[in-house]
Formats: sequence, structure tokens, C-alpha cells
Amino acid sequence: DTAVSQTPKYLVTQMGNDKSIKCEQNLGHDTMYWYKQDSKKFLKIMFSYNNKELIINETVPNRFSPKSPDKAHLNLHINSLELGDSAVYFCASSPYPTQRTEAFFGQGTRLTVV
Amino acid sequence: GDSVTQMEGPVTLSEEAFLTINCTYTATGYPSLFWYVQYPGEGLQLLLKATKADDKGSNKGFEATYRKETTSFHLEKGSVQVSDSAVYFCALSDSNYQLIWGAGTKLIIKP
Repeated sequence: DTAVSQTPKYLVTQMGNDKSIKCEQNLGHDTMYWYKQDSKKFLKIMFSYNNKELIINETVPNRFSPKSPDKAHLNLHINSLELGDSAVYFCASSPYPTQRTEAFFGQGTRLTVV
Repeated sequence: GDSVTQMEGPVTLSEEAFLTINCTYTATGYPSLFWYVQYPGEGLQLLLKATKADDKGSNKGFEATYRKETTSFHLEKGSVQVSDSAVYFCALSDSNYQLIWGAGTKLIIKP
């Protein structure tokens, strides 16, 4: 059973389109995250949700909007896609954060904007 | 703010060589420290962790010791294999319980 699953794995789309990436975790975790990984493998946190409530919203364009219908799901919607949005997007989850808590990652969604 | 610094890659080694990937950190308080591994085309996986000073994390032949006096958490393996080729990330859990990531180090093992 996949602990953190994202769909789709690959997404190719044209500039200006709107797209969504879905994420689900079956670990019973309270906290979920979206990360962006650029071509140099640098990881940047975008959003963090705890029990469906937004707790971190880093400086990302407001074209990116997370939606958490329940604590097992955290979807990422992106409006008006730009070339610079091309990256790998990772969903992750963790138990209610403590200093000993690690995050569990999905397989990633490789977004290519053409 | 808290930060993690890793050695730049790529690191290229021959099979069976000894591996060290350096990681140093700055943090207030007493963070937990982690090493994650990302194999090609996959997500990140926890490799090992240490939660207090002098703890040693180990997994799959990899080790790292939490050194508070040098604020370091260097990753080591005695004999690497081609299958160890991946990107390795050092991270800490800060006082707000958020993960702070290093830039990643790409490891290439040649047969």
C-alpha cells in the first residue's frame, strides 16, 4: 500500500492553463505539505496544513492554491501556468509535528509547462 | 534563522570506496537531524535520524553522528555500491518543528 500517493506522476501542459495535482496519505497523519523541487534538486516548502488548516504559506504566487477537503488529502491547484512553474512537486505528510518527526514523501509530480 | 549546509556535489566515487558527505547546521535549541535519500525518479525517503547530541543514526550501512560541539551530522558509509547513487539531503527539525533542508548532494558511484 502506498503511504503517500500523488497523481498524476507526469503533467505536461501549455502556458496559461489551470491544473491540479492530487495527494492522499493513508498514514493517519495530521500534517501535510507541498514542496517544489527545482532542476538543481533544491527543495522549497510551499504550504503546510495541519488537520485541514493552513499553518505555513511560504512566499509563493497566489496562482497556487492548496485545498484540503479532509486531513488525508491535500490538493494543489495552479492557475495560469507559467514556464517557471516547471519543476517536480512533492506532497509529504508527518504526524503532528514534534522535533522527532520525519516527513513521508510521495513519488512526486513532474510538471512541464510548454 | 536555522540553516543546513551540505557539501556541494556531485561526489563521484568508485565502488567499494569510503563515503563522507559533510553536513553542518546552525540552530537555536536542540534540533533533530535527518538524512534523506532520493533515488532517480523517486521521492525522498528517510535514511537515518538522530534526536539528541552524540546519538548515532544508522541504516543500510550508512551512519551519522549528531555532534553538537561541531554542529555537524556527516554521513558516512564504509563501502559504497553502484546502487547508492542518489541525491542525499541533510535536514533539521527546528524549534517550530519545521524541516529545514540542505541543498542536496548528488552521489555518483562508478563500477
